[in-house]
Amino acid sequence: EVQLLESGGGLVQPGGSLRLSCAASGFTFSSYAMNWVRQAPGKGLEWVSGISGSGGSTYHADSVKGRFTISRDNSKNTLYLQMNSLTDEDTAVYYCAKGLAAGGTGRGGEYWGQGTLVTVSS
Amino acid sequence: SYVLTQPPSVSVAPGKTARITCGGNNIGSKSVHGVHWYQQKPGQAPVLVVYDDSDRPSGIPERFSGSNSGNTATLTISRVEAGDEADYYCQVWDSISENPWVFGGGTKLTVL
Repeated sequence: EVQLLESGGGLVQPGGSLRLSCAASGFTFSSYAMNWVRQAPGKGLEWVSGISGSGGSTYHADSVKGRFTISRDNSKNTLYLQMNSLTDEDTAVYYCAKGLAAGGTGRGGEYWGQGTLVTVSS
Repeated sequence: SYVLTQPPSVSVAPGKTARITCGGNNIGSKSVHGVHWYQQKPGQAPVLVVYDDSDRPSGIPERFSGSNSGNTATLTISRVEAGDEADYYCQVWDSISENPWVFGGGTKLTVL
């Protein structure tokens, strides 16, 4: 059974930093691209970042480029999202999603974690 | 950037067929590598119900089907049940875009 468990969310002040983690199990982690998708309160889904199965290619949405960094540790089956210079517009539930394929961002999200809430507020 | 347009809401009676559309420029063409559909119930994570236009993940009922042609992709839910009430999102992978996962705005399916 595929399981994705996010952690690391919480309340942070504007300008602050946070590191999200996503622990994966139930599949060969290094064989699939992984992504972060967020959902602001009452809003739709927004893709944030993606990373290929090997970790050699990373992708970030224009809205977070230069502030967020996606990475993965295939030896620990864990995906990360380092978030810096946070603003109130980054307030959202952040989901990690297993890609449909290994390359690029994996085309779409086959499985999703339950999400972790990030609140940016003073 | 590529834009996907969904109706904000669709209503259907139990047992009937619901059709949720997703509009995009030439969405049915080869340059867009398939349309995926997600179901999201309140307080829950999205669940993939159709991928690559018309394939169903294991465990998804046959009542869920997808099609894609021209400028419109469609998610069809046959014999609608009360448990199908949810938000539905379409998504495409735009390989030439800086933001490769493009989501539609979502459609709230209400079962009357």
